[in-house]
Amino acid sequence: DVKVTQSSRYLVKRTGEKVFLECVQDMDHENMFWYRQDPGLGLRLIYFSYDVKMKEKGDIPEGYSVSREKKERFSLILESASTNQTSMYLCASSFDRDNQPQHFGDGTRLSIL
Amino acid sequence: AQKITQTQPGMFVQEKEAVTLDCTYDTSDQSYGLFWYKQPSSGEMIFLIYQGSYDEQNATEGRYSLNFQKARKSANLVISASQLGDSAMYFCAMREELISSGSARQLTFGSGTQLTVLP
Repeated sequence: DVKVTQSSRYLVKRTGEKVFLECVQDMDHENMFWYRQDPGLGLRLIYFSYDVKMKEKGDIPEGYSVSREKKERFSLILESASTNQTSMYLCASSFDRDNQPQHFGDGTRLSIL
Repeated sequence: AQKITQTQPGMFVQEKEAVTLDCTYDTSDQSYGLFWYKQPSSGEMIFLIYQGSYDEQNATEGRYSLNFQKARKSANLVISASQLGDSAMYFCAMREELISSGSARQLTFGSGTQLTVLP
C-alpha cells in the first residue's frame, strides 16, 4: 500500500513565524505535490517537484517555498506565516507515468494566529 | 488550459440505491486521464477510479464505475448500492497524458460534490 505521511495533523502557529510542513512517501515516487484546500476554492496547487532538488511553481506559490533534498521527502515552508495562510494543506505523490494517480496524505490543518 | 465542472454542490441518496455524480471537462489535449477522488470529513483524499481518454471500455472498480462519454466530454461517477460510509465529498480531476517526463503531471480538480447517504 502507498503511504504518504504528513508530519502533523493539526498545527497552530503565530503570525510571522517560519513554518515547516513535512511530507514523506514510501513508494519511490518521482513526483510530489503540495496543495492547499479552502472552502469554496477547492484544491489549489502551491508547488510541485518531479525530481530531487527540482521544483516548479503551481498556481499559488506566493508566500511559500519548498525543498526536496531526498526523493522521499518534500517540505513546504511558510517563510513568514500570515493569517491568510490558515488552511488545510495536502501533500501528494505519484509515479511519473500515465494512468498513475496521485496519492495523498491525511492533510495538515494549519491555523495561523 | 483544462477545466473541470461539477455542477452538483450536494446530493442525497438512499442507502442501497445507486447514485450518479456528474463531471464535465474541457481540454484541448488529445490524450488525457480522468480521476475520481473521495474525501471523507476526516480530510484525506482517497483515489477511487481512473479513465484514460483512449480507453474503449468504461472503468470499473468494485461498486464504482465511470460513465465516460468522450464526445460529450463527460465522466460521471456511478456508485452502486450506496452505503452510509460513502457519505463524503467527491472530486473529479483530469490531467494531460502521454507527455514527457519532468512535467510532473499536474491535476486539475473540480469544485466537488458533497454526497450524503440517508439510512
